[in-house]
Amino acid sequence: QKEVEQNSGPLSVPEGAIASLNCTYSDRGSQSFFWYRQYSGKSPELIMFIYSNGDKEDGRFTAQLNKASQYVSLLIRDSQPSDSATYLCAVKPTYSSASKIIFGSGTRLSIRP
Amino acid sequence: DTGVSQDPRHKITKRGQNVTFRCDPISEHNRLYWYRQTLGQGPEFLTYFQNEAQLEKSRLLSDRFSAERPKGSFSTLEIQRTEQGDSAMYLCASSLDEKLFFGSGTQLSVL
Repeated sequence: QKEVEQNSGPLSVPEGAIASLNCTYSDRGSQSFFWYRQYSGKSPELIMFIYSNGDKEDGRFTAQLNKASQYVSLLIRDSQPSDSATYLCAVKPTYSSASKIIFGSGTRLSIRP
Repeated sequence: DTGVSQDPRHKITKRGQNVTFRCDPISEHNRLYWYRQTLGQGPEFLTYFQNEAQLEKSRLLSDRFSAERPKGSFSTLEIQRTEQGDSAMYLCASSLDEKLFFGSGTQLSVL
């Protein structure tokens, strides 16, 4: 079982709709969760982080965390063509004594006009 | 530019050669990470420094890989006796906490 799992996609969403990206993780004790956006040929860029169960909203982005189900999601409202990118879920596992951050393989999102 | 800086941007080498990459983190960041990324995959953790101390290294990492961070400032990643499987983007990230800021990466091609 991978430590952080994501559907690779591509996920195709019409412009203006809600894009929903999902991630599961294996370490039940994990406390810190992140979403990074990576445009083709560029480096990852942090867009959201969440530590507590529930929802966290920032502009058009909402991160949702359910620790009981070991599930993190990212919702993008009013999707724009500029949102087309790969979205990486990342987790800080508890088994690491240091601040190791583990990434999933990413979900490719395509917003169609 | 106050972001994370990596040098070189691209490196082409022949199998068996040694290569070294440099990372200059954001100046006030005490944490520094190295990752490797191949096409279609997420970044794979290689190693982590807090100040000058290397606190964690991936168990999957070959002994051919070594990293240093003298004086807790810039870091170098060396790969000895490169193999074709080492071809990847090598990413450096720095942080004050767990939120990582990535550099542009060094693309390594081993021929």
